[in-house]
Amino acid sequence: KQEVTQIPAALSVPEGENLVLNCSFTDSAIYNLQWFRQDPGKGLTSLLLIQSSQREQTSGRLNASLDKSSGRSTLYIAASQPGDSATYLCAVTGSSNTGKLIFGQGTTLQVKP
Amino acid sequence: EPEVTQTPSHQVTQMGQEVILRCVPISNHLYFYWYRQILGQKVEFLVSFYNNEISEKSEIFDDQFSVERPDGSNFTLKIRSTKLEDSAMYFCASIVDTNNSPLHFGNGTRLTVT
Repeated sequence: KQEVTQIPAALSVPEGENLVLNCSFTDSAIYNLQWFRQDPGKGLTSLLLIQSSQREQTSGRLNASLDKSSGRSTLYIAASQPGDSATYLCAVTGSSNTGKLIFGQGTTLQVKP
Repeated sequence: EPEVTQTPSHQVTQMGQEVILRCVPISNHLYFYWYRQILGQKVEFLVSFYNNEISEKSEIFDDQFSVERPDGSNFTLKIRSTKLEDSAMYFCASIVDTNNSPLHFGNGTRLTVT
């Protein structure tokens, strides 16, 4: 059974710092991995999707990497801003590709001005 | 940009009552999902729906739950007899296809069972 774990659970950094969020999954047979952002009381916004054949994806200040064989992904945020404060969720789709996502518990990020 | 919309944003109901949570997925999307998030816990998959039938469901999705796409736009989740432990945030999501397209989520319905 696939399990997704995110470390750390919470992170507080000063504005301008570069930071890395970690995600690990137990079954390397995935179809893709997605990183989401969740603001309090809101839905989930897809940030980046990495296909199983890819090593990384970039969008603006965000870079996500995938090492499928070791069951790990990282989300790198460059030059963090207070507006980046949110919970970041990692989720994987199984190799059977039904579109069903298995989520980690998230990392809550606070960027202090 | 098209959005998944959910109504109501907050629903309070008494234990044993039936509730219907409503969603309007993005119009050209073909796959629809319900997830839930109990406060402080992970987002959990409930059910997926494609071509007017359930394609997959989790063990949480027991006989008390049902989904329906009554017309070309709405997608509903019904809980027949709510329990206290059904209190959670329920998210609807849709996707155009399963070929590496990102999932689009609604803002959720917070269900409180008293």
